[in-house]
Amino acid sequence: AQSVTQLGSHVSVSEGALVLLRCNYSSSVPPYLFWYVQYPNQGLQLLLKYTSAATLVKGINGFEAEFKKSETSFHLTKPSAHMSDAAEYFCAVSATFSGGYNKLIFGAGTRLAVHP
Amino acid sequence: DTAVSQTPKYLVTQMGNDKSIKCEQNLGHDTMYWYKQDSKKFLKIMFSYNNKELIINETVPNRFSPKSPDKAHLNLHINSLELGDSAVYFCASSRYRVRGETEAFFGQGTRLTVV
Repeated sequence: AQSVTQLGSHVSVSEGALVLLRCNYSSSVPPYLFWYVQYPNQGLQLLLKYTSAATLVKGINGFEAEFKKSETSFHLTKPSAHMSDAAEYFCAVSATFSGGYNKLIFGAGTRLAVHP
Repeated sequence: DTAVSQTPKYLVTQMGNDKSIKCEQNLGHDTMYWYKQDSKKFLKIMFSYNNKELIINETVPNRFSPKSPDKAHLNLHINSLELGDSAVYFCASSRYRVRGETEAFFGQGTRLTVV
């Protein structure tokens, strides 16, 4: 069964500092991985996705993530945090089941706080 | 144009009542989902429909009944509401791909509070 684990339920950084949000996956087949962001009282918005085309994936708002098979990781980074990055971040893996259908399985989320 | 829209955004109701949440997507997707987000922000899939056919039912109490009148709409009806049903319910849609590489697009959520 596929799953993702996000290390650290809360991460706090200073404005301008590096953002690193950790995600490890478990999958018996090549995974499709996603990072979503949820701003307060909003729905989920896709930041980026890994679909095996390239191991370094660039997303919106200056975020990127690197797929490392040897470490079963897909960590999200941003070189310089902005106050507007404060939000909840979710890592997800696409799980395929009988009939060829699939669903997203989410990690528990990481709340990013950015302070001046 | 809102891609995935849910109504209502907020719903406060008493225990025992029956309520519905509506969802519509204008992305031309053939697969739609309901996810539940609990108070700890944990997201879990409840149901999924593909072309109006139920394909996922994740051990959700039968008080919850989804209905898909067409592939652009997926509604959620909840009978005999309980305090534990309080959560944020998200509708989502995606294009069907065998390998699962397509992302889901989410609505803004419906915050259900049962008192």
